[in-house]
Amino acid sequence: RKEVEQDPGPFNVPEGATVAFNCTYSNSASQSFFWYRQDCRKEPKLLMSVYSSGNEDGRFTAQLNRASQYISLLIRDSKLSDSATYLCVVERGGGADGLTFGKGTHLIIQP
Amino acid sequence: GAVVSQHPSRVICKSGTSVKIECRSLDFQATTMFWYRQFPKQSLMLMATSNEGSKATYEQGVEKDKFLINHASLTLSTLTVTSAHPEDSSFYICSARTGEGLAESSYNEQFFGPGTRLTVL
Repeated sequence: RKEVEQDPGPFNVPEGATVAFNCTYSNSASQSFFWYRQDCRKEPKLLMSVYSSGNEDGRFTAQLNRASQYISLLIRDSKLSDSATYLCVVERGGGADGLTFGKGTHLIIQP
Repeated sequence: GAVVSQHPSRVICKSGTSVKIECRSLDFQATTMFWYRQFPKQSLMLMATSNEGSKATYEQGVEKDKFLINHASLTLSTLTVTSAHPEDSSFYICSARTGEGLAESSYNEQFFGPGTRLTVL
């Protein structure tokens, strides 16, 4: 099983629609989880942290299920500017420093 | 938010030469900096963790004698790719982490530099 696994897409979604991404991780020692956004040939930028209780930031909602080692991201009322690659990121934990990145899910919002 | 810069943004060099990449935290002190590498259509892969004033910790499969890391101050880490070869061509990204004692939402956050695209001919 890959450390962080995501559906690479692409997801082609009409503007205004709701889209959901999922991610699974294999390291049960991980304690911190994030969604990053990466635009083409750019550095990743933090979109939001993911907490056990779930969290919402505007149109974005993230959920964490520790038992299933599963993370999700929901984007409501999608905008053209949401087109990007969304990276599921897991802090390695267990005494190991650094982040483990998924390959990302490519999202294309169509007008 | 915290800003991390990288220099150069792009470099093209001949096989066998060495290339130095700088990573700077501009408005905060970073006790820990990380170096990642991203090949096309692949995920970012951690190469090494750099703590100020101590030797870097390299990930399995990353040659420490080939990728020299120096974290001389709380705002600067350098990665030197020695005797670069075409297979070293990649997107190198550094990140810097703020210190301890902050709220959960920020303690683990890493701020990424804009990356350096290395092409070895």
